[in-house]
Amino acid sequence: DAKTTQPTSMDCAEGRAANLPCNHSTISGNEYVYWYRQIHSQGPQYIIHGLKNNETNEMASLIITEDRKSSTLILPHATLRDTAVYYCLGGTSYGKLTFGQGTILTVHP
Amino acid sequence: NAGVTQTPKFQVLKTGQSMTLQCAQDMNHNSMYWYRQDPGMGLRLIYYSASEGTTDKGEVPNGYNVSRLNKREFSLRLESAAPSQTSVYFCASSEVRPDGYTFGSGTRLTVV
Repeated sequence: DAKTTQPTSMDCAEGRAANLPCNHSTISGNEYVYWYRQIHSQGPQYIIHGLKNNETNEMASLIITEDRKSSTLILPHATLRDTAVYYCLGGTSYGKLTFGQGTILTVHP
Repeated sequence: NAGVTQTPKFQVLKTGQSMTLQCAQDMNHNSMYWYRQDPGMGLRLIYYSASEGTTDKGEVPNGYNVSRLNKREFSLRLESAAPSQTSVYFCASSEVRPDGYTFGSGTRLTVV
């Protein structure tokens, strides 16, 4: 599994876009970039994944650099309920996923 | 609602006691996983089962055993609980395709 590096914590104002970066310079060609979040002590929730192209769903957008060494998760209009720990992971479509420490995102009123 | 169900939600054990954590999914997923999360830490993989009939060790398997009872159920057993096993245990399942895992709500285990 690719090793990922994320900032320990970030802040964002409510209603603004939250841009969460992730470095995954060792990611291999067949590994996807996955994003999950964990609100309080609940089970992690899948957000989005991508391989090469940028992706968007109802929750977020994922921007992957052309060299695939880094990515950014974008929450376009952050709300207080988006306060959570956000995990960036690299992994194949068939294998296990390894979670790191993640980024604590705090959305302020 | 469809998803991953874990039982029990809370448990207190005495050192040396044994117990089994149950996990069941109703999404017809092939793969299932057990993670533990210690306070302030990320999730660490204990065991996983890529498909029915197979199990493999993860990052921290010592002190645990697993059983993939059928496609739906994947149980985690602590044979002789230790205080170091105090943690929140999460079960997850996934299909063999890029979509992500679905996690259960967790079992909060305290060993005294």
